[in-house]
Amino acid sequence: AAGVIQSPRHLIKEKRETATLKCYPIPRHDTVYWYQQGPGQDPQFLISFYEKMQSDKGSIPDRFSAQQFSDYHSELNMSSLELGDSALYFCASSLVALGEGNSPLHFGNGTRLTVT
Amino acid sequence: LAKTTQPISMDSYEGQEVNITCSHNNIATNDYITWYQQFPSQGPRFIIQGYKTKVTNEVASLFIPADRKSSTLSLPRVSLSDTAVYYCLVGVPTGTASKLTFGTGTRLQVTL
Repeated sequence: AAGVIQSPRHLIKEKRETATLKCYPIPRHDTVYWYQQGPGQDPQFLISFYEKMQSDKGSIPDRFSAQQFSDYHSELNMSSLELGDSALYFCASSLVALGEGNSPLHFGNGTRLTVT
Repeated sequence: LAKTTQPISMDSYEGQEVNITCSHNNIATNDYITWYQQFPSQGPRFIIQGYKTKVTNEVASLFIPADRKSSTLSLPRVSLSDTAVYYCLVGVPTGTASKLTFGTGTRLQVTL
């Protein structure tokens, strides 16, 4: 079965550079979520999109922005990178339109961002 | 959104049944309870979801009491490969509110 695809798997950037992470949700899924997971930490919710519109925002820095495109893929743009941005970034998708809460998140395997 | 509380860690021997309890005192009427498993450097993986009473699938059972203020994930006869972090999430994503928050998960260590 198709899964959530994230690219790239690994990314190395220097401080103050920019980075773009991509997420391709499971076909027909209408909601995309982004999470950040630092070393030894639990995933932190950043932002979500439903039907290409921003749905909810969590602890996403102002230096980060995201969008969902017409083909439902999503991109997380990160500017002025800091050492503390080094983390695993996960994307997840779900089919909210199913309703009744039966819409578990399906996660990709993440992008490991290292800022040097 | 309901905050969840789980034990930080648990240890078990291979072949035993493991029960991980999650407290969610402020669960809302429409909220579902979903459990995820995460291995190092991998994305969380859906295990089981429920609303009330008991749910069972091929890998786990989920017990939810009538007041729904807690839930227990039961893993029968664990193996070494079940060593992972387990998270319970409470909420129901909708089109306008899709913020599902992870709490501090339970690190399960299975040994021989």
